[in-house]
Amino acid sequence: EAQVTQNPRYLITVTGKKLTVTCSQNMNHEYMSWYRQDPGLGLRQIYYSMNVEVTDKGDVPEGYKVSRKEKRNFPLILESPSPNQTSLYFCASSLTGENQPQHFGDGTRLSIL
Amino acid sequence: DAKTTQPPSMDCAEGRAANLPCNHSTISGNEYVYWYRQIHSQGPQYIIHGLKNNETNEMASLIITEDRKSSTLILPHATLRDTAVYYCIVRGPNFGNEKLTFGTGTRLTIIP
Repeated sequence: EAQVTQNPRYLITVTGKKLTVTCSQNMNHEYMSWYRQDPGLGLRQIYYSMNVEVTDKGDVPEGYKVSRKEKRNFPLILESPSPNQTSLYFCASSLTGENQPQHFGDGTRLSIL
Repeated sequence: DAKTTQPPSMDCAEGRAANLPCNHSTISGNEYVYWYRQIHSQGPQYIIHGLKNNETNEMASLIITEDRKSSTLILPHATLRDTAVYYCIVRGPNFGNEKLTFGTGTRLTIIP
């Protein structure tokens, strides 16, 4: 089944403790992206990647890192999480080129205490 | 990408057709209309997209007016599982960042 898989689905952790949210897709998509969703603010893009070893900042990249060593994986790294990074996170992927629909993972709910 | 306007909420009886409107009066000639939905904090789900012709797939139909300034998403036989927030997004061909910009959407509630 074609899908985007995120792990973990839920995480409660403390300020400053490094964490990684994994994202994997099995559709051979070139493009991958991370969004966060907060009440009243909608979905905001954090980082994106056009292909392997190519990443770029989205609208709210501060406090996050990403890597794209393999086409299927696009982990989101919080080196020193803070409470303002408490949010619902989504990974998405698509083919590149004109008018390709995006596929989203089921989300990761992070709580930083 | 052009701005869209959607009603904040709608109700529809189960089994009936749900018609969700979207205004995009500033749409330009090469911009497509996309519809996604989000069911209670799950990941957004792609539904359908179109340029100027009406489109239909297994989930829904998309009707775009001749002047392309508005469109309607039609769920032909709504079920309780169609209760979700529906987002209308207008975007042009983009060979760079494929970022989607979600507005506030329409919260559709299917009534038993």
